[in-house]
Amino acid sequence: AQSVTQLGSHVSVSEGALVLLRCNYSSSVPPYLFWYVQYPNQGLQLLLKYTTGATLVKGINGFEAEFKKSETSFHLTKPSAHMSDAAEYFCAVSENTGRRALTFGSGTRLQVQP
Amino acid sequence: EAGVVQSPRYKIIEKKQPVAFWCNPISGHNTLYWYRQNLGQGPELLIRYENEEAVDDSQLPKDRFSAERLKGVDSTLKIQPAELGDSAVYLCASSPIAGGANVLTFGAGSRLTVL
Repeated sequence: AQSVTQLGSHVSVSEGALVLLRCNYSSSVPPYLFWYVQYPNQGLQLLLKYTTGATLVKGINGFEAEFKKSETSFHLTKPSAHMSDAAEYFCAVSENTGRRALTFGSGTRLQVQP
Repeated sequence: EAGVVQSPRYKIIEKKQPVAFWCNPISGHNTLYWYRQNLGQGPELLIRYENEEAVDDSQLPKDRFSAERLKGVDSTLKIQPAELGDSAVYLCASSPIAGGANVLTFGAGSRLTVL
C-alpha cells in the first residue's frame, strides 16, 4: 500500500522568502515521487519527479525537492517565493513495481504575501 | 499538441438527476484515469483504463457510477442518480502507459454541483 502525508494544509510566506512544503510518504516498495501544482480552475501540472539516481531533483519555476529515504520524505523548496507561486501543491507517490496509479496527498495551499 | 480535453467544465444539477462527463485524452496515450477531487482534498482515483479495459475500478461506487472507454480513446463517466455528496471536481488524466514513473497529464476538470 502507498500513502502520502502533507504537513500543513496552508502555508503563507512573504514574497522573496524561502518556500518549504513538506511531504512524507509510505510505500512498501521503492517509490516514484511527484509534485504537482494546481492553479485555480485548472488541472494539475507536473512540477518535478523523482524516479532513480540523483536524490535532489530540479523542476520548473525554480522549485526543487530532495528524496530522503531514511526520513521517507520528499519536501519541496524554492529559495525565493514569487507572487505567481500562489497555488495548491500536491505530493504524489507511485510504486516502481506493478502498475498502480498515483496516490495523492491532501494538498498544501501556498499564499504569497507582498 | 492538444492536451486532455474535458467537458462540460461546470455542471449544476438537482439531486437524483443523471449527469455525464466526457474526456478525450492525449493522442497515443493508452492509459486513462478518472479522479475525483473533493473540496480541499487531493484527487482520489475512481477508475483506470488500459486501452478499453478497466483494470482498476475498486474505488468506483458501482451502484451509481459507471464509465466506459469505447475503442480505447475517449471516455465517459456517468452518475445516476446524483447525490449531494457527489459535488466535486472530476478530473481526467492520461499517460502513455500505466504506473511507475509515467507522468499523468490532467485535464482542467469538470466541476459538479448537486443541489
